[in-house]
Amino acid sequence: KNQVEQSPQSLIILEGKNCTLQCNYTVSPFSNLRWYKQDTGRGPVSLTIMTFSENTKSNGRYTATLDADTKQSSLHITASQLSDSASYICVVSPVGFGNEKLTFGTGTRLTIIP
Amino acid sequence: NAGVMQNPRHLVRRRGQEARLRCSPMKGHSHVYWYRQLPEEGLKFMVYLQKENIIDESGMPKERFSAEFPKEGPSILRIQQVVRGDSAAYFCASSPTGSSEQYFGPGTRLTVT
Repeated sequence: KNQVEQSPQSLIILEGKNCTLQCNYTVSPFSNLRWYKQDTGRGPVSLTIMTFSENTKSNGRYTATLDADTKQSSLHITASQLSDSASYICVVSPVGFGNEKLTFGTGTRLTIIP
Repeated sequence: NAGVMQNPRHLVRRRGQEARLRCSPMKGHSHVYWYRQLPEEGLKFMVYLQKENIIDESGMPKERFSAEFPKEGPSILRIQQVVRGDSAAYFCASSPTGSSEQYFGPGTRLTVT
């Protein structure tokens, strides 16, 4: 069982609508949780990084939340644009390690339609 | 400041051949990480290098795979005697010392025929 589970696997929404992507993790303890955006054929790009003590972090129209008690994180996208079509990946970094022990989720494939 | 560069972007090899994937980190970054992404799967850590040193290769298959990051030049991920199961996207990331941020390259898509 993957230590980072994301849902839904895929999502289609109309341009301009909001959406929320979910991430459940079992990696514990962890030092930070990240959300990445990966366009088709490209490498992941960091959207947010939250330490275990942070509850929310925003980056423009992207807002990530973290509940360390329930081991859940969400990424909320406001007023979606066509360019938001991509895979969104949740990544957890365990305590005591650097970037070499990151655990990646399989991502949510988001499609924005006009 | 150019981003992380990887080449080639696409590589086709026949079974048994060797594949060499190159990664040039961002300027000033001395930490390089290699990941493999199979279709419909998440990225999996392979190896972490600093200049002239392999720091952690716990994600590397024991045979046929090797990596280096020489004092001069790009980091190289080398796969000998490729098999069909090696077909995947290979991503390189770099980070500066003391930072948890990672910057990914565009990846090399390896196809083994």
